[in-house]
Amino acid sequence: DAGVIQSPRHEVTEMGQEVTLRCKPISGHNSLFWYRQTMMRGLELLIYFNNNVPIDDSGMPEDRFSAKMPNASFSTLKIQPSEPRDSAVYFCASSLAQGETQYFGPGTRLLVL
Amino acid sequence: AQTVTQSQPEMSVQEAETVTLSCTYDTSESDYYLFWYKQPPSRQMILVIRQEAYKQQNATENRFSVNFQKAAKSFSLKISDSQLGDAAMYFCAYRNNAGNMLTFGGGTRLMVKP
Repeated sequence: DAGVIQSPRHEVTEMGQEVTLRCKPISGHNSLFWYRQTMMRGLELLIYFNNNVPIDDSGMPEDRFSAKMPNASFSTLKIQPSEPRDSAVYFCASSLAQGETQYFGPGTRLLVL
Repeated sequence: AQTVTQSQPEMSVQEAETVTLSCTYDTSESDYYLFWYKQPPSRQMILVIRQEAYKQQNATENRFSVNFQKAAKSFSLKISDSQLGDAAMYFCAYRNNAGNMLTFGGGTRLMVKP
């Protein structure tokens, strides 16, 4: 079975540019999560969806961040405009249902210059 | 709010030996789940083991086992017969029964010496 798929794996961009991260959850999983990992703050939940509906976005740092899940097999996390402090590894995870074990994708390493 | 603490930033173990990684957490809930995730240099987050708080029996997955002490709010991971491939960051995580949010500890870097 394919696991959670994320693209790109690495992204280098300049401050002010728009960045879009993509995620394909495990087929049949109904919940999807976006996490950010930094040295300073560790792993933080940004937002999660259940059945394509955003349930909790309280972890989204500010209005520059937005996430969508147009269908059960695809989600995006967008940063516009990007800033150097957004540099981090962004993980997508999915679970079969709310409350089930979360399985993580390989992450996207973002560097904003 | 729940917090998860891993007090050992780094640990090392000799290959084939046993090592225990510590984790404590703070919660007012009685029903919840605890996890250990492994993050190798590839940065992939890999689920190692999971424990349901209502179960008294400690979870075991091959060489990995936990010591779950609910009253003490402690959840340590024991790795037996350590292998070079076990070298990684290990994260302890908590999730309450009703929610979806995983709260992670700060991680422990495990080094395995040949």
